[in-house]
Amino acid sequence: QKEVEQNSGPLSVPEGAIASLNCTYSDRVSQSFFWYRQYSGKSPELIMSIYSNGDKEDGRFTAQLNKASQYVSLLIRDSQPSDSATYLCAAGKGSTLGRLYFGRGTQLTVWP
Amino acid sequence: DAMVIQNPRYQVTQFGKPVTLSCSQTLNHNVMYWYQQKSSQAPKLLFHYYDKDFNNEADTPDNFQSRRPNTSFCFLDIRSPGLGDAAMYLCATSGDGLREQFFGPGTRLTVL
Repeated sequence: QKEVEQNSGPLSVPEGAIASLNCTYSDRVSQSFFWYRQYSGKSPELIMSIYSNGDKEDGRFTAQLNKASQYVSLLIRDSQPSDSATYLCAAGKGSTLGRLYFGRGTQLTVWP
Repeated sequence: DAMVIQNPRYQVTQFGKPVTLSCSQTLNHNVMYWYQQKSSQAPKLLFHYYDKDFNNEADTPDNFQSRRPNTSFCFLDIRSPGLGDAAMYLCATSGDGLREQFFGPGTRLTVL
């Protein structure tokens, strides 16, 4: 069983719509969760971090964490063509010597 | 601006010819990571340093070595590159193992 699973997609939404990206993690002791955006041929860029249950909003992005269900999601409101990228979910576990576990990513296309 | 720098951005080497990739950071982070990422795959952690403490992933081939001479610099040595080692190599840094990681731009390695 993989540590972090994501819908592989691809996910395609029209400009202006809400894009919903989902992620599950296998180990209940995971403590920190991140969403990264990765454009083709580029390195991952941090979008959101979330550590406690509930929602966290930053501009057009909202991260949601449900530890009971071991589920993390990312909502992108008012999606733009520039949001077209692969979105990586990551979960951290261990102590301060811990590490992040990455999912394979979900490819999002926003069409005009 | 604080950042993570990788050199070179593109590296072409011949089968079996050793190669060294470098990473430097101005974030003064304790933890530095090396990842290998192939197309449409999750970043795969090769090893990481917490300060000078080296942590090797169990499935990292012996062909891969790393050095961290000081807080700011970290090197990835591939002793005898094979065709299967062609990938994007990503360096990342973090304040501790469970916090967000910040990635450099990556080095694209081609093996001929």
